[in-house]
Amino acid sequence: EPEVTQTPSHQVTQMGQEVILRCVPISNHLYFYWYRQILGQKVEFLVSFYNNEISEKSEIFDDQFSVERPDGSNFTLKIRSTKLEDSAMYFCASSKREANTGELFFGEGSRLTVL
Amino acid sequence: GENVEQHPSTLSVQEGDSAVIKCTYSDSASNYFPWYKQELGKRPQLIIDIRSNVGEKKDQRIAVTLNKTAKHFSLHITETQPEDSAVYFCAASRQAGTALIFGKGTTLSVSS
Repeated sequence: EPEVTQTPSHQVTQMGQEVILRCVPISNHLYFYWYRQILGQKVEFLVSFYNNEISEKSEIFDDQFSVERPDGSNFTLKIRSTKLEDSAMYFCASSKREANTGELFFGEGSRLTVL
Repeated sequence: GENVEQHPSTLSVQEGDSAVIKCTYSDSASNYFPWYKQELGKRPQLIIDIRSNVGEKKDQRIAVTLNKTAKHFSLHITETQPEDSAVYFCAASRQAGTALIFGKGTTLSVSS
């Protein structure tokens, strides 16, 4: 069964450093998402991406964040200058475009620790 | 924007009992309501979903009900088993492809 894959599984970085988290969505999916989950808290929406542009973003997704689909398979989240509060599990997800389903398929997550 | 409230935050039941988790949402335009199960250290996985044109949906021991007028929906798990222990998240969105907004989660513990 196809899965969303994410790398790295865990990254430790110093405050102020740039981080890039990578995702390979399921190949026939057209919508891509990033969510984050601070330890023990809810899953929070960051951004959705469709047709090579951001379709929605939350208040969390400020100028420090950016997303990119550099080729036909990867979908990346960049944090320009990490802060302590960026420490969280970051989940990539993808979904089909069919009107009768909205199921998000999540990757296993990338745990980001900012020191 | 959409806001999803979920209760209770923790729920402990004995094996074989039923468990009910309730959610309310704020955006009357939302029409898709999934439930995700997240085991410790794992990704969230869809267990059941319901659309606004349906009031109830059942899949074996799991059922979801929706009251669009009151803007609330519930997850019902019958004959709970220890492997049902996990965090359950409700969510809402307007349509496929739009942001799925999650509730804060319910930690369900099923003791044998």
